[in-house]
Amino acid sequence: RKEVEQDPGPFNVPEGATVAFNCTYSNSASQSFFWYRQDCRKEPKLLMSVYSSGNEDGRFTAQLNRASQYISLLIRDSKLSDSATYLCVTWYSSASKIIFGSGTRLSIRP
Amino acid sequence: SAVISQKPSRDICQRGTSLTIQCQVDSQVTMMFWYRQQPGQSLTLIATANQGSEATYESGFVIDKFPISRPNLTFSTLTVSNMSPEDSSIYLCSVEVRWGDGYTFGSGTRLTVV
Repeated sequence: RKEVEQDPGPFNVPEGATVAFNCTYSNSASQSFFWYRQDCRKEPKLLMSVYSSGNEDGRFTAQLNRASQYISLLIRDSKLSDSATYLCVTWYSSASKIIFGSGTRLSIRP
Repeated sequence: SAVISQKPSRDICQRGTSLTIQCQVDSQVTMMFWYRQQPGQSLTLIATANQGSEATYESGFVIDKFPISRPNLTFSTLTVSNMSPEDSSIYLCSVEVRWGDGYTFGSGTRLTVV
């Protein structure tokens, strides 16, 4: 079983729609969680950290469910520029490294 | 967040040769990470480079193939040795400047081995 699992997609949704991704992690010792965005042929860039209480940044909302060991990302009022691959990332101190999911591809159509 | 300068951005190399990739960070960091990302795949950690000690390699990666240098707290190199077409990939360096703030990546090196 992969340490971090994501639905690879692609998710193809119309502009203005709301879309949500989930990501599950297997190591209960995971301490930090992030969502990264990666555009084609570019490096990953931090989109947002995921806090236990959940957090929101504009149109983006991230949630953490430790009991079920998953994190989620919700994008409201999606824009064409949101088209990218979204990577779920976990970190735990005992390994002192971050683990990447394989990414979820999102395509927003006009 | 940190700013990372990674060079070269791309290269086409002959099999059997070696390529050294450099990453320069604009602030001092304890650990630097080297990743590989093959087409359509996620990132795979190659090794963690600590200043003043040997790099720590992940399963499937060995020092003879991917020697790493870390001469100071702002710089590291990764060498891809004795290259074969299977080494064609994007190689990225990464740092975490402050715990919990996530990781910043270099712009990547797109390597093609022919």
